This record gives sequence, structure tokens and C-alpha cells, in this order.
Amino acid sequence: GAVVSQHPSWVICKSGTSVKIECRSLDFQATTMFWYRQFPKQSLMLMATSNEGSKATYEQGVEKDKFLINHASLTLSTLTVTSAHPEDSSFYICSAPPLGRDFLYEQYFGPGTRLTVT
Amino acid sequence: SQKIEQNSEALNIQEGKTATLTCNYTNYSPAYLQWYRQDPGRGPVFLLLIRENEKEKRKERLKVTFDTTLKQSLFHITASQPADSATYLCALDCHTGTASKLTFGTGTRLQVTL
Repeated sequence: GAVVSQHPSWVICKSGTSVKIECRSLDFQATTMFWYRQFPKQSLMLMATSNEGSKATYEQGVEKDKFLINHASLTLSTLTVTSAHPEDSSFYICSAPPLGRDFLYEQYFGPGTRLTVT
Repeated sequence: SQKIEQNSEALNIQEGKTATLTCNYTNYSPAYLQWYRQDPGRGPVFLLLIRENEKEKRKERLKVTFDTTLKQSLFHITASQPADSATYLCALDCHTGTASKLTFGTGTRLQVTL
């Protein structure tokens, strides 16, 4: 089956610093990847759609200058949380549909990254 | 406003019984609906997908129904086992021509006891 990895699996950082989270599709290519955020006991909220070779599209209410997304290759998307604050502490999850299967197919999710900002 | 609601935050059932989870939505016209399983501290894992023109889909002990008139999907796990304990999420895709974007429900935490 298709595997998506995330790195790191958890990170603790100080307020004001930036944190980069990587999302990799290990055995398939993806022109599109999605970034979600999940607060405790809440559902996944889509933050942005990462598009290989072009700018990401952000959901309403998500600050694009704070959450920088880069999709440099067909297997890697990165999310950088800039000037992190305690309220950014959350579980960040990426997903991807395999290339050519971006309609009417399931998405493969990474294991998530737990970010704690102190 | 758009809303996706799953019947209860938590559901406790006895091993061997059938668990039935509900997903209701308002102000959406999904092309299809998906169900995922999420274990604590992990990403969701795909279980089943059902299209708007399908009434029912089965996979082993799992069954999903989709009623676009009622705007509801039911997710059944038959002969439930303690290993089925997890949070189950429904997700809608209102595909508009580009890659699908999923909107998730709040989830139902299922606990199967011996």
C-alpha cells in the first residue's frame, strides 16, 4: 500500500522560533498534498493544499505568511510554522492521493507531527 | 452553514455486537463520502469510500450506506472486536475539478469491551 511519512514525529520549540515539518510519499508520486491540523478531541481541519511546482492554496482563516508550504518535488512537501506561538501547538497531519488518482480515491495520511510550543 | 455531525462523541458496545455509527451533513453536495479510522496519536487510515450513486458498500466486516436524500451515511462494524476500538471519521468530498478536498466530521470514539 501507499506510504506517507512525516518528520519529525514530534517537536518541542520555544515561542518565536520556526519549525519545519516534512511530508514524504515513499512509494508513489503526488502532485498534490494536503496539510491538516488537529487539536485535542477535535477533527482534522484542512489548512492548505500543496501543489507541486506552484503556490499552495490556503483555506479561509489560515495565514499563508505564518504557515509556509513548499512542494519542491513529486514526493516531498514541507510545512514551516514561522514565529511559532503556544496556540500553534497541535497535531499536524499531511495526506496525499497518488498521482493520477486524485479524484474519487482515498487519501493516504502520514502518521502526524505533534508540535508543542513553549 | 455547512456542518458534518457524527452521532455521538463516544459509543460503547460489547464484543460480538454490531456497532452503528452515523454521519449527517447539511449544506453539502458531496460527490462521495469516505470513512477513516484514527488511533490515538496517529494519522487516519482509509476504510471505505462510497459514491453518491451507490446505496451500500461492503468490505469484510464493514458496511457503509449513503442516503443523499436524508444526507446521511451509516457505518456498521459487525461482530465487533476490542481491536476495533478507535475513533472513526467520516469525510465528504465536494470535488470541483481539481484534486479532492476532504472535510471531516467530528468523529465517534468507539470502545468495544469484552
